[in-house]
Amino acid sequence: EAGVAQSPRYKIIEKRQSVAFWCNPISGHATLYWYQQILGQGPKLLIQFQNNGVVDDSQLPKDRFSAERLKGVDSTLKIQPAKLEDSAVYLCASSPLVSRASTDTQYFGPGTRLTVL
Amino acid sequence: KQEVTQIPAALSVPEGENLVLNCSFTDSAIYNLQWFRQDPGKGLTSLLLIQSSQREQTSGRLNASLDKSSGRSTLYIAASQPGDSATYLCAVINDYKLSFGAGTTVTVRA
Repeated sequence: EAGVAQSPRYKIIEKRQSVAFWCNPISGHATLYWYQQILGQGPKLLIQFQNNGVVDDSQLPKDRFSAERLKGVDSTLKIQPAKLEDSAVYLCASSPLVSRASTDTQYFGPGTRLTVL
Repeated sequence: KQEVTQIPAALSVPEGENLVLNCSFTDSAIYNLQWFRQDPGKGLTSLLLIQSSQREQTSGRLNASLDKSSGRSTLYIAASQPGDSATYLCAVINDYKLSFGAGTTVTVRA
């Protein structure tokens, strides 16, 4: 079974530029998550999709970040314009379904390391 | 707001020693607790998931305990090996969300 795929793996940009990340979840997984992990911290949930609908985007800085999941499969996360503090690893994860108990584990991709200069 | 704390932030032990990693959380109304492993440049791998009704879970050399009332979980790794070197993260699940600690970075010296 193929895992969660992410691209690019690394990206270096200057502040005020825009950047986009792509995620392809495990086939058949209804739920997709984007996390931001700043160096030395645990991952922080940015947005959660179930199929192509947003379940939670309460921690997404909507003035500069946007995300979409077309057709309930692949997803893209965009930052425009980037700030220095956006330097982090952006992790994508997927799970078969979402429930309050969430006994289904989340499967994580390798992440995209973003450096903003 | 759920706060998850992991102590210590880093740990170095000789090969063969048992590892004890601690995790504490502020809101005991959790559904599950999960331990992950993160290797440099890679994503997270789930190690153990403890449901709120359970007190522990075991997988091979790994054992995780959960005490909801005191807001604590402990991950034990028996007879550590150099391949166990990684960052270990705990995460609690409530209201559909995973809240992560900052992790404990473990180095096992050969």
